[in-house]
Amino acid sequence: AQSVTQPDIHITVSEGASLELRCNYSYGATPYLFWYVQSPGQGLQLLLKYFSGDTLVQGIKGFEAEFKRSQSSFNLRKPSVHWSDAAEYFCAVGDTGGFKTIFGAGTRLFVKA
Amino acid sequence: GAVVSQHPSRVICKSGTSVKIECRSLDFQATTMFWYRQFPKQSLMLMATSNEGSKATYEQGVEKDKFLINHASLTLSTLTVTSAHPEDSSFYICSARSQVGETQYFGPGTRLLVL
Repeated sequence: AQSVTQPDIHITVSEGASLELRCNYSYGATPYLFWYVQSPGQGLQLLLKYFSGDTLVQGIKGFEAEFKRSQSSFNLRKPSVHWSDAAEYFCAVGDTGGFKTIFGAGTRLFVKA
Repeated sequence: GAVVSQHPSRVICKSGTSVKIECRSLDFQATTMFWYRQFPKQSLMLMATSNEGSKATYEQGVEKDKFLINHASLTLSTLTVTSAHPEDSSFYICSARSQVGETQYFGPGTRLLVL
């Protein structure tokens, strides 16, 4: 069965510092992987996605993620965090058929000045 | 990117009444729409998958008679919470998948409060 694990419930980083949010998945084949961001009371915005090809994926707002098959991971990174990045981040895996998407529990990012 | 809207953005209703939430894809045709429920500080839980012109597929544990889903056109799906109770209070989010690509686009969500 598909599953997504985000080990960190919340993370606090200083503005300007680098960020890495962890995501591990369980899937029988090559997964479709996504990172979404959600601001309080809002819907989800797609940051980036991986379907195939280059394992380092560039997204919006300066985010990138790297697919590592050997580690079943798809960690999200950003070299320099801005205060506006404070939000909830969800990693998700989709199946190749109906694209039913399973979400991780989310990681809340706090940014301190 | 593609735009998905939801209406209303928030609704307050009395216990026992029914509430309808609309999900529209504004600039693309969506053969499949998904309905999610999100409790405070929790992740999104898929409730059902809605395909245009056919019955929705509900996830295990979701009452199909309570959460009625209608996907009448390629741009509109509705979720009706029937005989709402306080425990139905939640944030409901829809998403739509275009015919061409594989990406889901999410609506802004509807906050339901049942008194």
